[in-house]
Amino acid sequence: DARVTQTPRHKVTEMGQEVTMRCQPILGHNTVFWYRQTMMQGLELLAYFRNRAPLDDSGMPKDRFSAEMPDATLATLKIQPSEPRDSAVYFCASGLVTGSVQYFGPGTRLTVT
Amino acid sequence: GESVGLHLPTLSVQEGDNSIINCAYSNSASDYFIWYKQESGKGPQFIIDIRSNMDKRQGQRVTVLLNKTVKHLSLQIAATQPGDSAVYFCAELLQSGGSYIPTFGRGTSLIVHP
Repeated sequence: DARVTQTPRHKVTEMGQEVTMRCQPILGHNTVFWYRQTMMQGLELLAYFRNRAPLDDSGMPKDRFSAEMPDATLATLKIQPSEPRDSAVYFCASGLVTGSVQYFGPGTRLTVT
Repeated sequence: GESVGLHLPTLSVQEGDNSIINCAYSNSASDYFIWYKQESGKGPQFIIDIRSNMDKRQGQRVTVLLNKTVKHLSLQIAATQPGDSAVYFCAELLQSGGSYIPTFGRGTSLIVHP
């Protein structure tokens, strides 16, 4: 069955290193969302795209985070340079513009030491 | 700012009991409300949604109630099973630029004892 996929599932890196997380939305979905989940802050919306165009990335630290959709089957979230406070689980979700439901991927657990 | 919150961070029930998970929201302009279930190590999974013009919606073993007067949302799970153990999130959605943008609550952990 169709599902959102994310890679890598786990990433451990040292402070200062670049991290790239990838997401493949469900085929046919035209909205993509990036979230960060921590125990302290819960689920935070970082950025979202509609028809590959970024609509809002106000939830992201602009100086180090960037999100792109090079094509309809790939969304990326990049952190450069990474910091220990970026340690979290990052989720990608996709959906339809006309719908309210989002389908989440399994997440990427990022640990920055 | 506007926020969505939950009354109970942890709910423990016995298998077979009914569970009620509550959620308070503060934005009266929200168009939709959704309940998600998140099992350990997985992403949130859609359970049920309700439009702002409804006050009740039923699914399979789940019912969502919406009280707009007091800005309260609840999820009722009938005959709770061990497989229902998870964290449950409510989300309120506002339409922005043609898309529905969710704000998630902090979550309630449901523990079902066999």
